[in-house]
Amino acid sequence: EMQLVESGGDLVQPGGSLRLSCGASGFTFNTYWMSWVRQAPGKGLEWVAHISPDGSAKYYVDSVKGRFTISRDNAKNSLYLQMNTLRVEDTAVYYCVGWGGFANYWGQGTLVTVSS
Amino acid sequence: DVVMTQSPLSLPVTLGQPASISCRSSQSLVYSDGSTWLHWFQQKPGQSPRRLIYKASNRDSGVPDRFSGSGSGTDFTLKISRVEAEDVGLYYCMQYIQWPHTFGQGTKLEIK
Repeated sequence: EMQLVESGGDLVQPGGSLRLSCGASGFTFNTYWMSWVRQAPGKGLEWVAHISPDGSAKYYVDSVKGRFTISRDNAKNSLYLQMNTLRVEDTAVYYCVGWGGFANYWGQGTLVTVSS
Repeated sequence: DVVMTQSPLSLPVTLGQPASISCRSSQSLVYSDGSTWLHWFQQKPGQSPRRLIYKASNRDSGVPDRFSGSGSGTDFTLKISRVEAEDVGLYYCMQYIQWPHTFGQGTKLEIK
């Protein structure tokens, strides 16, 4: 069975850092584009970052450029999001999302709260 | 950025009746190969989103055939032929022809 499991969400102060992880199983991880998509409390969906199957291509929404870094370790079937200089407006549930062929998979999400 | 505009934002529907959600993009979503780079997602209360429709009109595996997607260029529609109680939730369109990929604001479907 296909599964994406996020971890690492926490309460952090503005200006702080956090690293999110996503473990994948049940599909050929190294052939999938992977993304982080977030949803602020009571709000809609926002694409955050996107990475190619081999990790060579990375894309970020403007609001996180220079602060967030997406990466992956295909040997460990894992996706990461390093978040630095966090802002209150980064508070959201962060979803790990996989895209491959005709398939699309979402994790259950991990909550990041940025507050003093 | 490509702006995705959905309407209505709130959609009260009687059980068994049809429902329709519109999505408009600020630029064409037709790729060079003729395919249309638009998805539709459903998010039930307390759950992660789930894709229903890919490339504007193709149902994902396991999606009931009462859901259908149509449209081309900049105007798209998600239709539910007969709404069931389990269809309550938020519906989003999303374009992926240009980075950053962008979502519509979401349409909240509720039962009257």
